[in-house]
Amino acid sequence: SQQGEEDPQALSIQEGENATMNCSYKTSINNLQWYRQNSGRGLVHLILIRSNEREKHSGRLRVTLDTSKKSSSLLITASRAADTASYFCATDAGSNSGYALNFGKGTSLLVTP
Amino acid sequence: NAGVTQTPKFQVLKTGQSMTLQCAQDMNHNSMYWYRQDPGMGLRLIYYSASEGTTDKGEVPNGYNVSRLNKREFSLRLESAAPSQTSVYFCASTMGNLKGAQYFGPGTRLLVL
Repeated sequence: SQQGEEDPQALSIQEGENATMNCSYKTSINNLQWYRQNSGRGLVHLILIRSNEREKHSGRLRVTLDTSKKSSSLLITASRAADTASYFCATDAGSNSGYALNFGKGTSLLVTP
Repeated sequence: NAGVTQTPKFQVLKTGQSMTLQCAQDMNHNSMYWYRQDPGMGLRLIYYSASEGTTDKGEVPNGYNVSRLNKREFSLRLESAAPSQTSVYFCASTMGNLKGAQYFGPGTRLLVL
């Protein structure tokens, strides 16, 4: 089932601005991951945050996790046109599902020069 | 390393025809997955293989069968294609524990007329 729900569905910003996308989920998790998908391509893993972590950084990416609110946010700082893509959060389905992922519907980000 | 490869890239079928989507990974991953992605949707799990020799149903398995041929290869078969199976199909792999990101292939675009 699609556990994650991203917000907003679409986001349009200018180069240099920050982009923030949010993800809410329904059940307890072991970890939460964010993926990027460029148009017509496969998904690329960006960052994984464990349930006992509150914040994680990777380059221009910052992810937060609030397990009490069952929500996460992805912040892209100083965005570039190359960041234009769809972004998905995904939660693990656990060992009983072979560590498959439950994906949200994604946020479509457009960064204009 | 090629990562995860999928063939074919595109396919057009008539209703009732059969076909097999091929997937291979060269990362020595234990677990492999087949997802489908429909417009405006996240990915939904069709089948997965937690380890060589095992396969299990995911969220949307009806109309599909899979084979984990060996550790590297995981194929998806449509025995009698239906227009509802028009979609983009992604194969993914991971080590099969809580540590890992999933690595995705480039996808197969399937149109069933």
